[in-house]
Amino acid sequence: GAVVSQHPSWVICKSGTSVKIECRSLDFQATTMFWYRQFPKQSLMLMATSNEGSKATYEQGVEKDKFLINHASLTLSTLTVTSAHPEDSSFYICSARVPGGQGLLGYEQYFGPGTRLTVT
Amino acid sequence: AQSVSQHNHHVILSEAASLELGCNYSYGGTVNLFWYVQYPGQHLQLLLKYFSGDPLVKGIKGFEAEFIKSKFSFNLRKPSVQWSDTAEYFCAVNAMSTGNQFYFGTGTSLTVIP
Repeated sequence: GAVVSQHPSWVICKSGTSVKIECRSLDFQATTMFWYRQFPKQSLMLMATSNEGSKATYEQGVEKDKFLINHASLTLSTLTVTSAHPEDSSFYICSARVPGGQGLLGYEQYFGPGTRLTVT
Repeated sequence: AQSVSQHNHHVILSEAASLELGCNYSYGGTVNLFWYVQYPGQHLQLLLKYFSGDPLVKGIKGFEAEFIKSKFSFNLRKPSVQWSDTAEYFCAVNAMSTGNQFYFGTGTSLTVIP
């Protein structure tokens, strides 16, 4: 089946620094990837939709200058948390749209294992 | 606001008990519906999905779900749970009105007692 990986699996950084998280589709090409944030004991909150070769679409309330997304190839999307602060500490999950479906519907997403970010 | 609701936040069952987890959504029009499971320390895995056709869908590990369009519901069921079903369960919706995105419910934590 389709496999999505994330790197790193966990990262600790100091306040004010930037952190890059990679999301890769290992055995398929993904024109669309998604970035989610999950707080403890809570659901996944969609942050942005990443489309290969174009600018990401951010959800309302998500600062695009703080969470930079780059989808440079059909198998790689990156999320950079710039000038991280302790409130950015969270579990970040990416997913990739599996090829197929019918336009906006009829498709599946496969999820990466997540990246635990702790900002001290 | 449009949403996905899971009313059961934490469910505790004994092994062999039957399970039903509720999921309601408020998106109109054509919808795709999903149930995902997240075992402790693992990533989200797809349990089952509904795109069209038979509203009763069967997934992996003995789970099934029924799409009732009139009730905007997609409840998850399993006739006999096992200890290994202990996990977090998420309902998700993709609708024409949501464009390309999935929206998730708040999740239900299931604990199965041996």
